[in-house]
Amino acid sequence: QTVVTQEPSFSVSPGGTVTLTCGLDSGSVSTSHMPSWYQQTQGQAPRILIYNTDLRFSGVPDRFSGSILGDKAALTITGAQADDESDYHCMLYMGSAVWVFGGGTKVTVL
Amino acid sequence: QVHLVQSGAEVKEPGSSVKISCKASGYPFSAYDMQWVRQGPGQSLEWMGWINGGTGEVRYSENFQVRVTFTTDTFANTGYMELSHLTSEDTAVYFCAKTRGNFFDFWGQGTPVIVSS
Repeated sequence: QTVVTQEPSFSVSPGGTVTLTCGLDSGSVSTSHMPSWYQQTQGQAPRILIYNTDLRFSGVPDRFSGSILGDKAALTITGAQADDESDYHCMLYMGSAVWVFGGGTKVTVL
Repeated sequence: QVHLVQSGAEVKEPGSSVKISCKASGYPFSAYDMQWVRQGPGQSLEWMGWINGGTGEVRYSENFQVRVTFTTDTFANTGYMELSHLTSEDTAVYFCAKTRGNFFDFWGQGTPVIVSS
């Protein structure tokens, strides 16, 4: 079974920069996995931030950016704000209309 | 404006089934797939599968294949997810989401399901 790996947690100072990653237990993440990133605040539904690796969804602030770094997908928050404190989930397309989520990363802004 | 509105919280006994609805508005229901995702307490998101709003074609995650059924009512623009043979490990919040290409652009508010005797 495919396992998508994410850091369990990260801490960032207000105004700082943090990069979250999304990897595969076996193999590399590439643009063919169409990585997408979702933000989830406590008790709320997930909200799409980034899709197809690096495309920002409508209305998403430009401090959020996506990329491929080495063999992983990455989400970078530049100039973190207090309301960026959330869980961040990556999702990979595995082909054949199958998707897999990562374990999620809890980001604390302090 | 796209909205997905799910049915309310459920409390079920082990061994029973649960059926959750997801009413869509603001987009052509038949033209898009509806995804189902769940999230256990303190856990991450888990993809369950999808159903096409028009054709009824389905794809289930291997983890749920034998216990889950997705259906739609195209006249009511509503999708349904039924999960059978419930155990305590099925206690979770269940989400529906609209598919756009290879990502999920709009989500329902979530339906908590508690499985307890």
